[in-house]
Amino acid sequence: DTAVSQTPKYLVTQMGNDKSIKCEQNLGHDTMYWYKQDSKKFLKIMFSYNNKELIINETVPNRFSPKSPDKAHLNLHINSLELGDSAVYFCASSQQGGSGEAFFGQGTRLTVV
Amino acid sequence: QKEVEQDPGPLSVPEGAIVSLNCTYSNSAFQYFMWYRQYSRKGPELLMYTYSSGNKEDGRFTAQVDKSSKYISLFIRDSQPSDSATYLCASARTSSAGNMLTFGGGTRLMVKP
Repeated sequence: DTAVSQTPKYLVTQMGNDKSIKCEQNLGHDTMYWYKQDSKKFLKIMFSYNNKELIINETVPNRFSPKSPDKAHLNLHINSLELGDSAVYFCASSQQGGSGEAFFGQGTRLTVV
Repeated sequence: QKEVEQDPGPLSVPEGAIVSLNCTYSNSAFQYFMWYRQYSRKGPELLMYTYSSGNKEDGRFTAQVDKSSKYISLFIRDSQPSDSATYLCASARTSSAGNMLTFGGGTRLMVKP
């Protein structure tokens, strides 16, 4: 039973399109995250979100927006996709007040052509 | 300067060797420290976490943190070919919206039979 699941696993799309990546966790965690891993394997936080607050990494373009329908889901919506958005996007979750251990999904490989 | 620095490798060792992986960090606000293992085209998998200086052991893995020198280490005893992966160190600081992780760039480890 997958703890953190993302869909789709692969996404190929054209520049200028709008796309969404979905994430669900069944760990009962109250905090979810989106990370971006670039071609050099560097993993960087994009968003941190729980029912209290959204924290946005200041380097993230406002074309990216997280949307959370409920505590177990945090989707990532991207407008006007650009070539530089090509990367692997990981969803993660953790329990607020814990030691910070985050559990990751399998990733969504986004390719913008 | 990145907040968490890690030698990218690759590090190649024979099966059975003791492996030492290292990171340094610069932000004194970091409270928790983790090691993740990432196989190719998979999500990061949590291996070890610690929040205090000293050693923590789990099977063949030992995590070591020295907060005075801002140094993080992971030791793998009796390394196996299945240990071949990229190892990511991460440091976390707490916020009202969760514990956001700052990752090193990862060290690629190859264990040869």
